[in-house]
Amino acid sequence: EVQLLESGGGLVQPGGSMRLSCAASGFTFTDLPMSWVRQAPGKVPECVSTISRSGDKTDYIDSVKGRFTISRDNSKNTLSLQMNSLRAEDTAVYYCVKGGHLDNWGQGTLVTVSS
Amino acid sequence: DVVMTQSPLSLSVTLGQPASISCRSNQSLIHSYGGTYLNWIQQRPGQSPRRLIYQIFNRDSGVPDRFSGSGSGTDFTLKISRVEAEDVAVYYCMQATHWPLTFGQGTRVEIK
Repeated sequence: EVQLLESGGGLVQPGGSMRLSCAASGFTFTDLPMSWVRQAPGKVPECVSTISRSGDKTDYIDSVKGRFTISRDNSKNTLSLQMNSLRAEDTAVYYCVKGGHLDNWGQGTLVTVSS
Repeated sequence: DVVMTQSPLSLSVTLGQPASISCRSNQSLIHSYGGTYLNWIQQRPGQSPRRLIYQIFNRDSGVPDRFSGSGSGTDFTLKISRVEAEDVAVYYCMQATHWPLTFGQGTRVEIK
């Protein structure tokens, strides 16, 4: 059974940093790209970033380029998202998602950016 | 960015009756590799999203066969043959052909 367990969310002040992690199990982690998708309260999901199987290729939406960094550790089956210079509009539930086509979603972790 | 437009945005359906959701993209979703990466996502109240259908018509594991997808190019449809209480959810179409991946506005399905 695929399991994706996110951690690291919480309350952070505008301009602050936060690192999200995702522990993946139940599938061969190195077989697939991975993604982070966020969903602001009452809004449509938004795929923030994707990373290739080996980690050598990454994509970001324009609003987070230069502020967010996606990475993966294939030896530990973990996916990470380093978020810097956080803004109020980054407030959302962040989901770790298997595959570049969003096959399976984790339970999500809430990130709140507020003073 | 590819714009995905769904209709209707809400649907009230009698139990056991069919439901249909339309999704249109403003660009072709046919990838250079040949596949069409149009998915349907279900989000039940208070739950994480879940993919139901991928590449237009393929059901994910565990998805009941009352859900079906169809379409091509820029026009796609999700059909529920007989709506059940557990189908109350918001349904999103999304495209994974072009970066960034984009979602429709969502269609809320409720029981009449």
